[in-house]
Amino acid sequence: EIVLTQSPGTLSLSPGERASLSCRASQSVTSSNLAWYQQKPGQAPRLLIYGASTRATGIPDRFSGSGSGTDFTLTISRLEPEDCAVYYCQQYGSLPRTFGQGTKVEIK
Amino acid sequence: EVQLVESGGGLVQPGGSLRISCAASGFIFSNYWMSWVRQAPGKGLEWVASIEKGGYEKNYVDSVKGRFTISRDNAQSSLSLQMNSLRVDDTAIYYCAYGVWFFNYWGQGALVTVSS
Repeated sequence: EIVLTQSPGTLSLSPGERASLSCRASQSVTSSNLAWYQQKPGQAPRLLIYGASTRATGIPDRFSGSGSGTDFTLTISRLEPEDCAVYYCQQYGSLPRTFGQGTKVEIK
Repeated sequence: EVQLVESGGGLVQPGGSLRISCAASGFIFSNYWMSWVRQAPGKGLEWVASIEKGGYEKNYVDSVKGRFTISRDNAQSSLSLQMNSLRVDDTAIYYCAYGVWFFNYWGQGALVTVSS
């Protein structure tokens, strides 16, 4: 099983700042099969990124993904108040599908 | 518009059984793998099971193998999860999700509480 470790646990930034969220895998993720989700309180997760760097339909271009192998990053270029949420990475290169434990983004 | 609507959640005693369902609309259900993902209260996400388009191939996380069964009815555009021998640590919101690799669309979730 591939274990995904996200850091930091919590990120507290001001509107307009840049956020970098890390996701590190315990072994190489096949073909960059990594996705990112956003989850706001009381809501279901929303797909942001798949294939490590492809934005899902309707996702603003301030969200971008990068990385390969065991190290991946989600970047939010200019934080907006509505970006306050928990962000999860997920690998789908092998079974079982696994998620990271999440990074909480707070807006100051 | 893709819609996934779960139903059937509730309170069940340890060792009991429960069946939750998901009604799908807005896409050709029989063309897609479907999955269940759960989230324990205040915790992260955990993939539970996936089923291929025709319902023949199924995958499960180890912790539910032999206890949970995923199934689908393509004529009714419906996905189900039969949960037997439920344990306290199965308590979670269960989300129906479209996809088998990553999950493009999610339902609002069904809360399953296992408690005596």
